[in-house]
Amino acid sequence: QKEVEQDPGPLSVPEGAIVSLNCTYSNSAFQYFMWYRQYSRKGPELLMYTYSSGNKEDGRFTAQVDKSSKYISLFIRDSQPSDSATYLCAMSGGRSSASKIIFGSGTRLSIRP
Amino acid sequence: NAGVMQNPRHLVRRRGQEARLRCSPMKGHSHVYWYRQLPEEGLKFMVYLQKENIIDESGMPKERFSAEFPKEGPSILRIQQVVRGDSAAYFCASSPGTSEDNEQFFGPGTRLTVL
Repeated sequence: QKEVEQDPGPLSVPEGAIVSLNCTYSNSAFQYFMWYRQYSRKGPELLMYTYSSGNKEDGRFTAQVDKSSKYISLFIRDSQPSDSATYLCAMSGGRSSASKIIFGSGTRLSIRP
Repeated sequence: NAGVMQNPRHLVRRRGQEARLRCSPMKGHSHVYWYRQLPEEGLKFMVYLQKENIIDESGMPKERFSAEFPKEGPSILRIQQVVRGDSAAYFCASSPGTSEDNEQFFGPGTRLTVL
């Protein structure tokens, strides 16, 4: 079993729709949860960074963490064609830079104009 | 402030040759991480380095792969005697090392193709 499971998609939605992306994990030691966006043939770019359970909102993006269920989500409101990319969930066990990050395999998202 | 820089962006090698991938961290960053991304897969951690020290190499294959981050100059990921299975995108990330936040900034990657 992988430490982090993520549906690879592809996921295609019309412009303006709400997008829900999810990951599950098995390691209860994970404390820090991240979402990265990766455009084709580019490096990953950090979108959201949350600690422990709860919600965090940043513009059109909301990240949710449910540690009891080992489940994290990213919601994108009013989706735009420019949001089309691969979204990677990621997590680590510690806060310091010494903690390696474990990534999901990524969900490919396409927003149709 | 320039971001993380990697070169070359594309590298083609024949089986048995050596590949050297370079990473210059963001200005002021002293921690470097290398990840590998196989087609249709997520990023897999390989190694974490600080200046002149390897901190965590738990993701590095046992043979043919090595990494360094010298006092001066970029971090180098070296792959000896490459095989077709080494074909992948290799990403470098850096972090400040002075803050408690584990925010890693990624470079554009080096795409290695082994013929």
